[in-house]
Amino acid sequence: NAGVTQTPKFQVLKTGQSMTLQCAQDMNHEYMSWYRQDPGMGLRLIHYSVGAGITDQGEVPNGYNVSRSTTEDFPLRLLSAAPSQTSVYFCASRQPTGSGANVLTFGAGSRLTVL
Amino acid sequence: QKEVEQDPGPLSVPEGAIVSLNCTYSNSAFQYFMWYRQYSRKGPELLMYTYSSGNKEDGRFTAQVDKSSKYISLFIRDSQPSDSATYLCAMSALGTGANNLFFGTGTRLTVIP
Repeated sequence: NAGVTQTPKFQVLKTGQSMTLQCAQDMNHEYMSWYRQDPGMGLRLIHYSVGAGITDQGEVPNGYNVSRSTTEDFPLRLLSAAPSQTSVYFCASRQPTGSGANVLTFGAGSRLTVL
Repeated sequence: QKEVEQDPGPLSVPEGAIVSLNCTYSNSAFQYFMWYRQYSRKGPELLMYTYSSGNKEDGRFTAQVDKSSKYISLFIRDSQPSDSATYLCAMSALGTGANNLFFGTGTRLTVIP
């Protein structure tokens, strides 16, 4: 059981380049999300999805796109990379509990540097 | 004011010490309280999860919630070098939507052998 798998683990981009961070989970979780983690800022929600075909914005969505065509996959696209997007990105998933308890399973992270 | 405040540390203790990690929050609607542990260059993993007030114990770890003071704590007894990590608190309210999970910024703990 792999859990949440993120690729790539490391990436260096030049300003203006685009790329996609991949996220896949094998737990049949309906809810998936992307966070970025920066020093002193903690984890901030970028986008999330409550099921295939449904996505919504989180706290810091600008400069990022997502889509959810299958339950398993939730890719994050950087449209035109900027140095401010240098960060560690985490994908996370959970089953809907119906109770508000948000116990997430995280991937190992993707470390992105934008020059 | 942030929803959740957490002292970033860093905190350095000798092996065997009792460690206390804390978070305060402002939203009285929070009912679910979690502690995640994050090793260096890894993703956060759930350590403890409690609902409403009170204590919960799991081995050397105790999570405590004081809703009247809007204050949560994680105690680690007989700390080990393997406990060296960043500890994140997180909390959410009941039935408030899929994205309503608030994290502290994390406290970095080092346990010295």
